[in-house]
Amino acid sequence: DAGVIQSPRHEVTEMGQEVTLRCKPISGHNSLFWYRQTMMRGLELLIYFNNNVPIDDSGMPEDRFSAKMPNASFSTLKIQPSEPRDSAVYFCASREGLAKAFGPGTRLTVL
Amino acid sequence: AQKVTQAQTEISVVEKEDVTLDCVYETRDTTYYLFWYKQPPSGELVFLIRRNSFDEQNEISGRYSWNFQKSTSSFNFTITASQVVDSAVYFCALSGAGSYQLTFGKGTKLSVIP
Repeated sequence: DAGVIQSPRHEVTEMGQEVTLRCKPISGHNSLFWYRQTMMRGLELLIYFNNNVPIDDSGMPEDRFSAKMPNASFSTLKIQPSEPRDSAVYFCASREGLAKAFGPGTRLTVL
Repeated sequence: AQKVTQAQTEISVVEKEDVTLDCVYETRDTTYYLFWYKQPPSGELVFLIRRNSFDEQNEISGRYSWNFQKSTSSFNFTITASQVVDSAVYFCALSGAGSYQLTFGKGTKLSVIP
């Protein structure tokens, strides 16, 4: 089992650019989550998908953030336009049962 | 509302010492789950353990042990004979039964000094 796969692992971009983060959940997991981790706010849930359908996007900070899950094996988190305050580590997690398995994270730096 | 408190922000120990990481939680749910995750310097979040609210038995896994006490709403984590590889940030987390929400504590940074 390859675990949750995220790409890229690191992303450095300039303010105003579009950023797309990608996630491949563990096969068979029907729930997918995007989290953001910052020093100030810790781990925050951004959005939750169940069976590819967005269930709770109340954690998405602004309209600049959007997430999609076109199929059971792929999800994207897009920031357009990006701002320096979006700099953080973004984690994707999947779950089938009770324990969430997290991906390695994408460290985003917006200059 | 749920809350997880990890009062220890940072802990430093010398290799081979035992160390206990504290976790106190608040919830109104009668059924809930408690978790510990490890975040090593490489950044990934590694699942360590899940415990449900009906099971107060302590658990041991190698050098790791967990003490769940419902009476004090605590779920403490002890590392015996610590090693440098144990250096990481450790997060305690809480989820209500049937909930997708996972409430994390702020984490405790453990440094094991050789």
